[in-house]
Amino acid sequence: GAGVSQSPSNKVTEKGKDVELRCDPISGHTALYWYRQSLGQGLEFLIYFQGNSAPDKSGLPSDRFSAERTGGSVSTLTIQRTQQEDSAVYLCASSVDGYNSPLHFGNGTRLTVT
Amino acid sequence: AQSVTQPDIHITVSEGASLELRCNYSYGATPYLFWYVQSPGQGLQLLLKYFSGDTLVQGIKGFEAEFKRSQSSFNLRKPSVHWSDAAEYFCAVGAGYGNKLVFGAGTILRVKS
Repeated sequence: GAGVSQSPSNKVTEKGKDVELRCDPISGHTALYWYRQSLGQGLEFLIYFQGNSAPDKSGLPSDRFSAERTGGSVSTLTIQRTQQEDSAVYLCASSVDGYNSPLHFGNGTRLTVT
Repeated sequence: AQSVTQPDIHITVSEGASLELRCNYSYGATPYLFWYVQSPGQGLQLLLKYFSGDTLVQGIKGFEAEFKRSQSSFNLRKPSVHWSDAAEYFCAVGAGYGNKLVFGAGTILRVKS
């Protein structure tokens, strides 16, 4: 079946604007994750969903970042009042059950804040 | 808390040569270990995983990795590298419910002809 789909693939925004990033996980996957990948750095965990609940949002860097998941499927990551340091690739992943099953990643959204 | 160290930021090997990418982890219990590969502009693709059992695991694209508990290592190997293997490789450790993977900083593999 289809893999994890993320949109947009690229987003350029002005500092101070809000942005929404979308993730469509693999159908039937109950667990969904957001990671951030900055230039020269590894992957930084942001938030984990099990169904529509987020039992672990410990990686969200500030209260400007929020995420939701609806219908146990699509997730949206929202960044308010974007800053230049928010520029990064935002990766979404899903897994069957969130218990050590492999993560399947989307191709990411490259966010550039000017 | 778990952590992963990939000591080599860049590695260059000749096509046809053998490859070993190093990964050391820190975790108090039995780790769940993964290797992912990322090509430019792409997401991460799972190469292989270790949960338990045989410490030598086989993956896709001819890769294998060996879990050594005594050394807290999970090194990735390939006997003969192909030019298409040029990419960035990430080692990751996960634990339990939620499977919040912690990734290493990655190793960029360059293959010279």
